[in-house]
Amino acid sequence: QQQVKQSPQSLIVQKGGIPIINCAYENTAFDYFPWYQQFPGKGPALLIAIRPDVSEKKEGRFTISFNKSAKQFSLHIMDSQPGDSATYFCVGTSNTGKLIFGQGTTLQVKP
Amino acid sequence: EPEVTQTPSHQVTQMGQEVILRCVPISNHLYFYWYRQILGQKVEFLVSFYNNEISEKSEIFDDQFSVERPDGSNFTLKIRSTKLEDSAMYFCASSEFDWSYEQYFGPGTRLTVT
Repeated sequence: QQQVKQSPQSLIVQKGGIPIINCAYENTAFDYFPWYQQFPGKGPALLIAIRPDVSEKKEGRFTISFNKSAKQFSLHIMDSQPGDSATYFCVGTSNTGKLIFGQGTTLQVKP
Repeated sequence: EPEVTQTPSHQVTQMGQEVILRCVPISNHLYFYWYRQILGQKVEFLVSFYNNEISEKSEIFDDQFSVERPDGSNFTLKIRSTKLEDSAMYFCASSEFDWSYEQYFGPGTRLTVT
């Protein structure tokens, strides 16, 4: 199966909070797990990505945690800011470059 | 910074009409993609394209859809006879490396079929 399931659908946090977005996948053939960020009126943009043989990757305030045995991964945003308000997609990537998107999480960070 | 551009930003058409959505990928990219996002739903893969050929297509990409790279810069998606359910945001993307997870998306074309 090629699905990527994402939760929650929406999330509201206060500035400085740590929103967490969770994803689960079924296809063990996925070879990369990127996260894309989308602002209104824009296309999705790559935020951070992880390979399945790595348990954690951190770039700035964004961290991916990866649990290969559970087929789950999550995005944590440390010290969230109002400018982080956007829709976040977890993605599974096939070896042909096809991106399989999760349903998306709309994050609102209140000042 | 180089970016993917798409035209038009919004297209309204009547059911049964043909539409062509246009994209200009980043100039040194060789791999091209179309995705669509029906309002409120997830982004879905339509087709990938390399070396003037379709590399992979989804079950959504039926005979009503076609893609073309008519010159060295444009990449187009044609829908021959639009249906109401084709109403969606269509995103073009390109990547520099083969089958990369790092794809650069355009801002999208909102297609409304009435």
